[in-house]
Amino acid sequence: NAGVTQTPKFQVLKTGQSMTLQCAQDMNHNSMYWYRQDPGMGLRLIYYSASEGTTDKGEVPNGYNVSRLNKREFSLRLESAAPSQTSVYFCASSVGGSEKLFFGSGTQLSVL
Amino acid sequence: EDKVVQSPLSLVVHEGDTVTLNCSYEVTNFRSLLWYKQEKKAPTFLFMLTSSGIEKKSGRLSSILDKKELFSILNITATQTGDSAVYLCAVEDRTQGAQKLVFGQGTRLTINP
Repeated sequence: NAGVTQTPKFQVLKTGQSMTLQCAQDMNHNSMYWYRQDPGMGLRLIYYSASEGTTDKGEVPNGYNVSRLNKREFSLRLESAAPSQTSVYFCASSVGGSEKLFFGSGTQLSVL
Repeated sequence: EDKVVQSPLSLVVHEGDTVTLNCSYEVTNFRSLLWYKQEKKAPTFLFMLTSSGIEKKSGRLSSILDKKELFSILNITATQTGDSAVYLCAVEDRTQGAQKLVFGQGTRLTINP
């Protein structure tokens, strides 16, 4: 079982560049999430999608957009990357609620 | 604002020791508290606690919740080097809907042989 798959695993961007982080799950989960993890800050929710066709802002949504392409896929887009967006990004999914999230392996993003 | 605070932030012990990790929280309307283990990359689920005073156990790991005092502890007995990881505590706030967890900073546990 692949579980939650994120691509790419590593990315370096210059300030102002754009990119999309891809996430797919094969567990037939309804809910999907994007988190960022910074040293000493824990995991912070960027955006989530409770079900196909819906998205909502989390704690730190500024500078990001998301698309729930279908039930399996949830992408995160940085339109104009900034150094403050240097972080490790995690995609996660769950059956319905927040309990027992299944996480992807993360994307290490550096913005120079 | 919801808040989750873990302590200690870092802990180094010898193999075989017993450790206790702490998690205190302030949320508007508590629904559940969860513990995750993060070794290299992806956090993995350990426990979910919703009721006060009921211990959850899995092998050498156990956790208990005190809803009156607003904290939880995670105990690991007879620690092994494979227990080295960051342990994350998260709390679900009912008023935020079922979709949002608030995470603590994590406790980095290092087990030396």
